[in-house]
Amino acid sequence: DTGVSQDPRHKITKRGQNVTFRCDPISEHNRLYWYRQTLGQGPEFLTYFQNEAQLEKSRLLSDRFSAERPKGSFSTLEIQRTEQGDSAMYLCASSPSGVGNTIYFGEGSWLTVV
Amino acid sequence: AQSVTQLDSHVSVSEGTPVLLRCNYSSSYSPSLFWYVQHPNKGLQLLLKYTSAATLVKGINGFEAEFKKSETSFHLTKPSAHMSDAAEYFCVVGGNSGYSTLTFGKGTMLLVSP
Repeated sequence: DTGVSQDPRHKITKRGQNVTFRCDPISEHNRLYWYRQTLGQGPEFLTYFQNEAQLEKSRLLSDRFSAERPKGSFSTLEIQRTEQGDSAMYLCASSPSGVGNTIYFGEGSWLTVV
Repeated sequence: AQSVTQLDSHVSVSEGTPVLLRCNYSSSYSPSLFWYVQHPNKGLQLLLKYTSAATLVKGINGFEAEFKKSETSFHLTKPSAHMSDAAEYFCVVGGNSGYSTLTFGKGTMLLVSP
């Protein structure tokens, strides 16, 4: 069990550039989540996939954000035209189906927009 | 709708003394409740979870939490703090729908002094 892996771990980008993060969930998990965490705050839910279907999106996920999980395995989170307010840690997590199942988190991808 | 309130942003203890991290939740249905720990520059690790079985839940590293429905609380305790327990702790409420999205508290930073 390799756990949830995220890439890159750190990204510094200039305002206005596009960035993409990748998440590889635990292999047998069909649910995949993206969260965002800013300094001093708890993680906030962004979006959630069941297999390849994106089933829920937070109002935090503006039009500049897009997430995909094309084959129901890995997922990408793209941020277009980055703004300084996008600076945060982006956490990916995965879980099996079912209520109350443990959700396992990756170590996160830190984004700094300068 | 669901929410969680962590009553202390920081808790300071001495090594070897008890730890109490307080959490209150709000949920319109029977919740799943979790405590996660986050060490600096690390991902979130599950300490323990409550999913409507025993109200006293034992977790890893000697931590436990008691679900009290009448008080809507899920406080985290440990009899004797260790230096390695210094980290940020998040109380989390999970949905009771099929989607299991999590709502995090703002976190409690546990400081352990020698």
